Order: sequence, then structure tokens, then C-alpha cells
Amino acid sequence: EVQLVESGGGLVKPGGSLRLSCTASGFSFRSYAMNWVRQAPGKGLEWVSFIFSSGAYIHYADSVKGRFTISRDNAENTLNLQMDNLRAEDTAVYYCARVIGVGAIDSWGQGTLVTVSS
Amino acid sequence: DIQMTQSPSSLSASVGDRVTITCRASQGVANYLAWFQQRPGKAPKSLIYAASSLQSGVPSRFSGSGSGTDFTLTISSLQPEDFATYYCQQYHNFPHTFGPGTKVDIK
Repeated sequence: EVQLVESGGGLVKPGGSLRLSCTASGFSFRSYAMNWVRQAPGKGLEWVSFIFSSGAYIHYADSVKGRFTISRDNAENTLNLQMDNLRAEDTAVYYCARVIGVGAIDSWGQGTLVTVSS
Repeated sequence: DIQMTQSPSSLSASVGDRVTITCRASQGVANYLAWFQQRPGKAPKSLIYAASSLQSGVPSRFSGSGSGTDFTLTISSLQPEDFATYYCQQYHNFPHTFGPGTKVDIK
């Protein structure tokens, strides 16, 4: 069974940093691309970032480009999202999601809440 | 960026009803279109990929169609567990944009 478990969320002040992790199990993590997707309170889903299975290709939403860094450790089955210079509008539940084929999401984690507030 | 729109933004329906949700892309995305279901307080669930292919374990009352810019998600006979918000997403170009969602609630 595919399992994705996010961790690292919490309360941080504007301008601060946070590192999210997603631990994968039940599948060959190194063979799959991964996404981060977020959802602000009461709002819709927003795609944040993509990383290819090898880590060779990476993409970001314009809203986080230059502030967030996606990475992965295939030996540890872990996906990461380093979030710097956080803003109030980054407040959201952050989901990691497995990608199949050329880009479709087939599995989601349960999410971790990030709150940016002074 | 490709903009995604959905209609309606919300609808009320009864158990057993046939429900259709429309998703439109601002430019062609071939069949690189997915649908997701999200119940309140829960993580999204993947329903359909490649516009019409059902994810494993998804009931056959869900179906998807379309190509290019216009897509539909159909629930053939609405069940109590189907009351939720539904999102489409294109993955033809980065950023992989989502539609704003369609909330399906009980009439």
C-alpha cells in the first residue's frame, strides 16, 4: 500500500523558514516523480513544485520560486520542501503527492499545516 | 500559464442523480487532465487521469471524457459518499494548474 506521511509543519513568523518532509513507503520511491500541492484555509488546491524521480528536473509555481526548494533523498525515501522567507499567504496545508506517467497524481499524503503569522 | 475553469461552482443534487461537472482549459492540454475528489477536512483523492482513465479502486459510476480544452466528469448515480468538492488539474504544461473546484452538496 502506498503511504505518504508529511511532517515538519507548524507556526512560523513572517520571514522565517520551515522544512517539510514526506516519508514514502509501500512503493519504489526512486522510480516516481513527486509533487507538493498546498491548500490555503477555505481555498482550492494550488500546485507548488515538482521533482523528477532522479531529481534532475525541478519546477516551481511562480508564487514560491526563489523562496522554496524541493529536494529528495532516494536512499531514505524522503521528499523535502525547504521554505524560506515565508509570507502570510504561504499559510496552508501542504500535501505531498506521487506522480505517475507524464504528470498525473495518483496518491496523496494526509497533509501538514503551515501557519505563517506574527 | 494555462487557466482552468469549472462549472458550475456548486450544485445541489439527490442520491441517485446523474451529475456532470465541466472543466475548461484556456489552451489545449490534449488529454493531460486529472480529476480529484475532496471531502471536508480530508486529503484529496485521485479519481481520473488522462481525461478518462479511472484510478485503481475508483467506482465505475465515475467517468471522465474530453480532449483539448473541454472536459467533463460524470457521476452516473450519486451516492452519499460522493458529496464533496471536485477539482480538475491539467498536467500538460508547468505550472500544473488546478480548477477552482465544484462543490456537490445534498439537495
